[in-house]
Amino acid sequence: QSVLTQPPSASGTPGQRVTISCSGSSSNIGSNTVNWYQQLPGTAPKLLIYSNNQRPSGVPDRFSGSKSGTSASLAISGLQSEDEADYYCAAWDDSLNVVVFGGGTKLTVL
Amino acid sequence: EVQLVESGGGLVQPGGSLRLSCAASGFTFSDHYMDWVRQAPGKGLEWVGRTRNKANSYTTEYAASVKGRFTISRDDSKNSLYLQMNSLKTEDTAVYYCARVSFMYGYGFDYWGQGTLVTVSS
Repeated sequence: QSVLTQPPSASGTPGQRVTISCSGSSSNIGSNTVNWYQQLPGTAPKLLIYSNNQRPSGVPDRFSGSKSGTSASLAISGLQSEDEADYYCAAWDDSLNVVVFGGGTKLTVL
Repeated sequence: EVQLVESGGGLVQPGGSLRLSCAASGFTFSDHYMDWVRQAPGKGLEWVGRTRNKANSYTTEYAASVKGRFTISRDDSKNSLYLQMNSLKTEDTAVYYCARVSFMYGYGFDYWGQGTLVTVSS
């Protein structure tokens, strides 16, 4: 099981807003920033959100992130079919001295 | 254009060894930390380890699952990253990605290679 906890699946219809949660502890999310990755089928992951709520250049503003305490969330508004992918949260863990990932959330656009 | 290209994957027997390479181009390789991340078939992402840059003494970190068996190294003169894998186990079967750590993007992995498949099986 992963150090960061994500729901295994999420779904929504086109145009809807969906959120994906990521729960950790004081040694990872509680004391470090969270990054989110999107992995489209058959491709390498892509950095989607960094430092909790910042978007790299080129990432649409439909994607947003937030963090509170030892939990973080990724929100996708105006859901599109091309958003169907696996989403992973990640953070540095000060106790383990490693990067920890969530188990991933498979997003289905109905 | 930033590019990361892994090579060296293949089929190896349990207990065997393999060395992966990652050729980098399009950026100042020596400035960056570089990581390895793997993904077992049908599973999620698992961080393998990190090599920091010269300014940080090329220090390394490893996931508990590979510590003592895997070694990460780099050759800044060749813009290359390596992963030496020894005492391989069936559970090491995965696609291995090299990834660039971005200081600008909160130590996130802003560039990834295409991955190389390592299969550990008898």
